[in-house]
Amino acid sequence: SQQGEEDPQALSIQEGENATMNCSYKTSINNLQWYRQNSGRGLVHLILIRSNEREKHSGRLRVTLDTSKKSSSLLITASRAADTASYFCAYSNQAGTALIFGKGTTLSVSS
Amino acid sequence: EAGVAQSPRYKIIEKRQSVAFWCNPISGHATLYWYQQILGQGPKLLIQFQNNGVVDDSQLPKDRFSAERLKGVDSTLKIQPAKLEDSAVYLCASSSLAGSGNTIYFGEGSWLTVV
Repeated sequence: SQQGEEDPQALSIQEGENATMNCSYKTSINNLQWYRQNSGRGLVHLILIRSNEREKHSGRLRVTLDTSKKSSSLLITASRAADTASYFCAYSNQAGTALIFGKGTTLSVSS
Repeated sequence: EAGVAQSPRYKIIEKRQSVAFWCNPISGHATLYWYQQILGQGPKLLIQFQNNGVVDDSQLPKDRFSAERLKGVDSTLKIQPAKLEDSAVYLCASSSLAGSGNTIYFGEGSWLTVV
């Protein structure tokens, strides 16, 4: 299976702490994307990082990409209760093909 | 801008029955996807359309699943006959261009329970 893997599967933190999720994948990629899914809802796009980029920021989100290790990480700083959700990495191995999703990390932020 | 619309949101059927899900993508989006998401897992692509043509249906169980996008806009996903393992959320998504590098917008999903 080409499906990516997120680590950890579940993460529980307190409000104000940082949350780090990791994603590993198995093929060469054009880019890697992160999505959030609130319970019972669809997926929402968070950020895209291209294969020639190493780091990208968007608000409280910081994504890194290491193509030599075939891995990416998503850092959420100063987490809030509203960040409670499942987070998925997704990638495609060539242009024009659909995204392949990982299994997700479930983040729980308590106040 | 209206998002991806899906219906019905929830459906409960008995095994061996049939079910159909409908999707209306974001206006102007040429690419439409159907994903299956089993509880606790990430979405898995079932089929990808570019306008009204199929780009990838390699993971669609064609003995029981079918999908069409006749006029290159709306799409319907059908399951007949349903099995217990088909219980999942069926997510429709669309993008302005195919795949990589383009943001994919998801609908809220159609939740199917097969009993």
